[in-house]
Amino acid sequence: DVKVTQSSRYLVKRTGEKVFLECVQDMDHENMFWYRQDPGLGLRLIYFSYDVKMKEKGDIPEGYSVSREKKERFSLILESASTNQTSMYLCASSRAGGGTNTGELFFGEGSRLTVL
Amino acid sequence: GEDVEQSLFLSVREGDSSVINCTYTDSSSTYLYWYKQEPGAGLQLLTYIFSNMDMKQDQRLTVLLNKKDKHLSLRIADTQTGDSAIYFCAEPVWGGSQGNLIFGKGTKLSVKP
Repeated sequence: DVKVTQSSRYLVKRTGEKVFLECVQDMDHENMFWYRQDPGLGLRLIYFSYDVKMKEKGDIPEGYSVSREKKERFSLILESASTNQTSMYLCASSRAGGGTNTGELFFGEGSRLTVL
Repeated sequence: GEDVEQSLFLSVREGDSSVINCTYTDSSSTYLYWYKQEPGAGLQLLTYIFSNMDMKQDQRLTVLLNKKDKHLSLRIADTQTGDSAIYFCAEPVWGGSQGNLIFGKGTKLSVKP
């Protein structure tokens, strides 16, 4: 079964801490994404990557950075966590575009982060 | 900016049909998608429709596409309590197939027994 795995389902951190959210996919997908989901705001794209060592800013990149050293792994980093970063974080992956690709996104189960 | 619109809540009785509506923005979108999110979980693809189709049926699910009005709908026949979830409509950024999608805010479907 294809899978996107987010290492932590629930985290509680303190303001100012550095936070790493890890995501691994086993589908050999080229593209990986990080979203945050908040009530009433839906999903908002933070960063995405179409290749190893490549990253692109999404709609709300401020306060976040990412790392993609290997194809299967995409990490989201909060350099100094703040209370307004309390949210559900969703990782997703997809195949490269073109051909018969339907552009489907495969999601992980989510990481719920609380910053106190 | 681009915005995918859908109503936030829908409540139906078990056994009734549910219809969730969505308007999207890019007429060149190749595929349009419906995702389902159950409580505490990530999103799962429920179904998609290719832009040259008007309708797609898959068991209890029917997707209707009106390209002229940029309107997409999802009908769930014989709705069950297990269908209670948030349903997201999505379209590709720039109409492409890289998986970079714009999502609506989600419609929370509540099914009453």
